[in-house]
Amino acid sequence: GQQVMQIPQYQHVQEGEDFTTYCNSSTTLSNIQWYKQRPGGHPVFLIQLVKSGEVKKQKRLTFQFGEAKKNSSLHITATQTTDVGTYFCAGSDDYKLSFGAGTTVTVRA
Amino acid sequence: EAGVAQSPRYKIIEKRQSVAFWCNPISGHATLYWYQQILGQGPKLLIQFQNNGVVDDSQLPKDRFSAERLKGVDSTLKIQPAKLEDSAVYLCASSLQGTFYGYTFGSGTRLTVV
Repeated sequence: GQQVMQIPQYQHVQEGEDFTTYCNSSTTLSNIQWYKQRPGGHPVFLIQLVKSGEVKKQKRLTFQFGEAKKNSSLHITATQTTDVGTYFCAGSDDYKLSFGAGTTVTVRA
Repeated sequence: EAGVAQSPRYKIIEKRQSVAFWCNPISGHATLYWYQQILGQGPKLLIQFQNNGVVDDSQLPKDRFSAERLKGVDSTLKIQPAKLEDSAVYLCASSLQGTFYGYTFGSGTRLTVV
């Protein structure tokens, strides 16, 4: 079955800095979704990418889907304390959504 | 719109006991999922329903776990008997139609087996 790997596992960021988290799949995906889970909370849907090479932005967050539809990235600019949490990518093969292990982000004020 | 409702929020049981979790998805969402999330890991799919039929239960430990979705609406997940390694958060999610739409997760049930 498909496996989704995320790196890094942890990201410690100074407030105001940028960072990127990466997601790689062992198989070609039909779409990829990103979720955010705040400490003690549940995953919340952020965005879905479907097309090869697709780029979508949500304020300070930029999401990319690779040309081969096997990898994706999330780039956050000017990190704020509200960005704290774990970011999961989840890859779909049309039938099942498989989650990565997540990147846990902490922010130094 | 109302979110995905789950109960209870917390449950502590002894090993070998049984436990049941309940989920009510968003109205109109055809697909319902139960995920297990162990601390520090990503959610792992246990079972996926399309209306009231099972689409995927390949990772459900069927010797101890069971789930049903009567009338294609709410669902229950049961564990009997529980083991220490079942300690996790059990998340219910629903989507409009399969993986083509984002999932809405409930708040989860945190299960501790002692």
